[in-house]
Amino acid sequence: EVQLVESGGGLVQPGGSLRLSCAASAFTVSSNYMTWVRQAPGKGLEWVSIIYSGGSTYNADSVKGRFTISRDNSKNTLYLQMNSLRAEDTAVYYCARVGVGGVYYFDYWGQGTLVTVSS
Amino acid sequence: DIVLTQSPGTLSLSPGERATLACRASQSVSSSYLAWYQLKPGQAPRLLIYGASSRATGIPDRFSGSGSGTDFTLTISRLEPEDFAVYFCQQYGSSPLYSFGQGTKLEIK
Repeated sequence: EVQLVESGGGLVQPGGSLRLSCAASAFTVSSNYMTWVRQAPGKGLEWVSIIYSGGSTYNADSVKGRFTISRDNSKNTLYLQMNSLRAEDTAVYYCARVGVGGVYYFDYWGQGTLVTVSS
Repeated sequence: DIVLTQSPGTLSLSPGERATLACRASQSVSSSYLAWYQLKPGQAPRLLIYGASSRATGIPDRFSGSGSGTDFTLTISRLEPEDFAVYFCQQYGSSPLYSFGQGTKLEIK
C-alpha cells in the first residue's frame, strides 16, 4: 500500500529555517514526480514545489529563493528545506505523489505536518 | 493565471441527498487538467476525480465529475455520513503549475 509520512514540522521564529521530510513506502520516490502542497489556517490549498524524476525542480513564486525541494534516493524520502520563513508560511504541509498516469493531479498524499512561524 | 472559483462555499445537506459542487475557471481549462479532492481534518487528502470525469482508484461510483471549458461539477449522488468534508478542485497550468479552488465545505444539515 502506498504511504507517505511527513515529519519535521514545528514552531520556528520568523527568519528561521526548517526541513520537512516525507518518507515513502510501496513505490520509488526517484521514479516519480513528487510535490509539496500547503494549507494555511482557514485557507485553501496552495501548491509549493515539485521535483521531477529527472531531478528538475520548480517552486511557486511565493517561496522562490527560500524553499528547496530535494530527495534522498537511498532513504526513499522527499525533503523541503525552508529558509527565511515568514508568518505567512504558517500552514499544514503535505507531500504528494504526482499522478503516475498523468502529471496533472496528485494521487497519493500524506497526512501533513504543521509549520508555525511565530515569535 | 487561471483562477478557480468554487460554489457554494458551504453546502448543508442530509445523508441520502444529492450534492452538486461547482468549480468555475477564469479561462478555459483542458478537461484532462481538472481534478477533485476530498479533505477531512487530520487525514490525508484523497484524490476523487481526475481528467474531469475519471474516478480514482477505490472511489465509490456515487462520486462523479463532469464539465468542460470553464465549468466543472462534482456530484455525489447519495450522501453517506463519511462524505461530509471539504472538497477542492484543482487545475494544472503554467503559472502556477498547479492551482486550487478555495474549497466547498459539505456539512450535515
